[in-house]
Amino acid sequence: AQSVTQPDIHITVSEGASLELRCNYSYGATPYLFWYVQSPGQGLQLLLKYFSGDTLVQGIKGFEAEFKRSQSSFNLRKPSVHWSDAAEYFCAGGMEYGNKLVFGAGTILRVKS
Amino acid sequence: GAGVSQSPRYKVTKRGQDVTLRCDPISSHATLYWYQQALGQGPEFLTYFNYEAQPDKSGLPSDRFSAERPEGSISTLTIQRTEQRDSAMYRCASSSRGQEETQYFGPGTRLLVL
Repeated sequence: AQSVTQPDIHITVSEGASLELRCNYSYGATPYLFWYVQSPGQGLQLLLKYFSGDTLVQGIKGFEAEFKRSQSSFNLRKPSVHWSDAAEYFCAGGMEYGNKLVFGAGTILRVKS
Repeated sequence: GAGVSQSPRYKVTKRGQDVTLRCDPISSHATLYWYQQALGQGPEFLTYFNYEAQPDKSGLPSDRFSAERPEGSISTLTIQRTEQRDSAMYRCASSSRGQEETQYFGPGTRLLVL
């Protein structure tokens, strides 16, 4: 069965420090991969997506993610975290058009000053 | 519209009542999805529409759940005889046809069944 795993439920980082959120997928073929962010009271906002091509993907708000086929991973990174990045982050995978997204359980990011 | 909208944003109901949730997708988007997100979990797929057709409703948890999109734009999700376990955030997303499909999400409807 298709699955997406986010091993870390909570992560705390200091403001200005670097960030890496982990995501692993299990699919029969390489899925489309997405990172979404959910702030309190807000909907899910797309940060970035990977379909094919360059394995390092740039997104909004200074985020990037790297697709590693050998590790079945799509980790999200940011070189310097800001207090406004505190939110819940979801990794998701999908296949061809019209197919459902499968989400990980989410990682809650806390930023300390 | 500019984005996906959902109404109501919050709904409190008593067990056994029926509820209907509404989703208004981005106007140019042919495809519309419904997800259920329990507290502390990621969204889980319920069903989707391609215009008014409903090719996949495999995620609907029981026959108490139904969805429709009669004119291929606005969609409703109805839960009959609500149960406490139906309490969740219900999210709608829409996307346009194309090779690189991206789903854009609305703010969600928080449903609480007492």
